[in-house]
Amino acid sequence: AQSVTQPDIHITVSEGASLELRCNYSYGATPYLFWYVQSPGQGLQLLLKYFSGDTLVQGIKGFEAEFKRSQSSFNLRKPSVHWSDAAEYFCAVGPTHSGNTGKLIFGQGTTLQVKP
Amino acid sequence: DVKVTQSSRYLVKRTGEKVFLECVQDMDHENMFWYRQDPGLGLRLIYFSYDVKMKEKGDIPEGYSVSREKKERFSLILESASTNQTSMYLCASSKGDGEAFFGQGTRLTVV
Repeated sequence: AQSVTQPDIHITVSEGASLELRCNYSYGATPYLFWYVQSPGQGLQLLLKYFSGDTLVQGIKGFEAEFKRSQSSFNLRKPSVHWSDAAEYFCAVGPTHSGNTGKLIFGQGTTLQVKP
Repeated sequence: DVKVTQSSRYLVKRTGEKVFLECVQDMDHENMFWYRQDPGLGLRLIYFSYDVKMKEKGDIPEGYSVSREKKERFSLILESASTNQTSMYLCASSKGDGEAFFGQGTRLTVV
């Protein structure tokens, strides 16, 4: 079955520290890969996406993610966390075949808390 | 600026009421989605639509229906609201490459 797993439900880091959020997926083929962020009371905003090519992708707000095919992973990283990064983060996968409807499968989410 | 607009941020409804959640997008996207978000469960797909008047069930369609009479508008209908439908509802649209644009969400409470 197709699925996305974010092993960490809740992570706390100190401001200025580095961050890595984990994402593993189970899919029939290499899918499109996404990371979204949700601030409290808001909708989801796209941080970055991987379609093909370079396996290290850069996103907004200083985030990056690395696709590792052998590990079926797409982990999100940031070198130095800011207090404004406190939010919930979702990893998602979607099909790559032509004419796809863009239907995504989401992970359970990871809540990031930032300590001053 | 691209936009997906949900008609209400907060709703309180009574058990048994018929509830309509409205969503409008201004990006001319073919695909529109309704998700339900609950703590620890992530986003679960209720229904999606890939064209006007076309719809498909998602993972949790029971107790819901949808309507898409115009390309820009996608409505979610709770035929008879129940307390277990208290949740955050998110609408999204996509042009088909998987990148979805989300509305602000509607927090529905059924009492």
